Amino acid sequence: AQSVTQPDIHITVSEGASLELRCNYSYGATPYLFWYVQSPGQGLQLLLKYFSGDTLVQGIKGFEAEFKRSQSSFNLRKPSVHWSDAAEYFCAVGGLEYGNKLVFGAGTILRVKS
Amino acid sequence: DTGVSQNPRHKITKRGQNVTFRCDPISEHNRLYWYRQTLGQGPEFLTYFQNEAQLEKSRLLSDRFSAERPKGSFSTLEIQRTEQGDSAMYLCASSPFDVPYGYTFGSGTRLTVV
Repeated sequence: AQSVTQPDIHITVSEGASLELRCNYSYGATPYLFWYVQSPGQGLQLLLKYFSGDTLVQGIKGFEAEFKRSQSSFNLRKPSVHWSDAAEYFCAVGGLEYGNKLVFGAGTILRVKS
Repeated sequence: DTGVSQNPRHKITKRGQNVTFRCDPISEHNRLYWYRQTLGQGPEFLTYFQNEAQLEKSRLLSDRFSAERPKGSFSTLEIQRTEQGDSAMYLCASSPFDVPYGYTFGSGTRLTVV
């Protein structure tokens, strides 16, 4: 089955510390990969996306993600977390087999402690 | 460009009642999507329009659900005979035809069925 797995339901990091959120996908062909962020009661905002080319992708708010085909992963990273980064983060996959829709992981809630 | 607008933001209804939500996409976007997000889960695809044509429906969209986009602009999602299991956040997104997965999400409508 084609799916997206985010193994960590909650992560807590100290402000200023580095962050890595994990995402693994199961997809037969070349995937299109996305990270979205959602603040409480809000819609989803795109952080970054990977379609092809350079496997290290830069996004907004200082986030980056690396596509590793051999590990079927697309982990999100940030070198120094700010309190305003506290939110829920969703990894998503799209591709030809999905048509125009995205399949989302269950999300990871990030808490930032001062 | 005021983004994707969804109304109402919150709806509380009694089981068995009908509810209707509205989504106003970004004006130049001809693609419109509905997703449902339950607590602790990522968004799940419900249906997709290109202009006024409903091109895809998920099997999650039971007979009690209907969506329309009559003039290729705003869209409505109606749920008849609501059940407690319908309680969720209903998210709308729009995208331009020529930008793959160029989603802009609205802030969602939170439905609570009591």
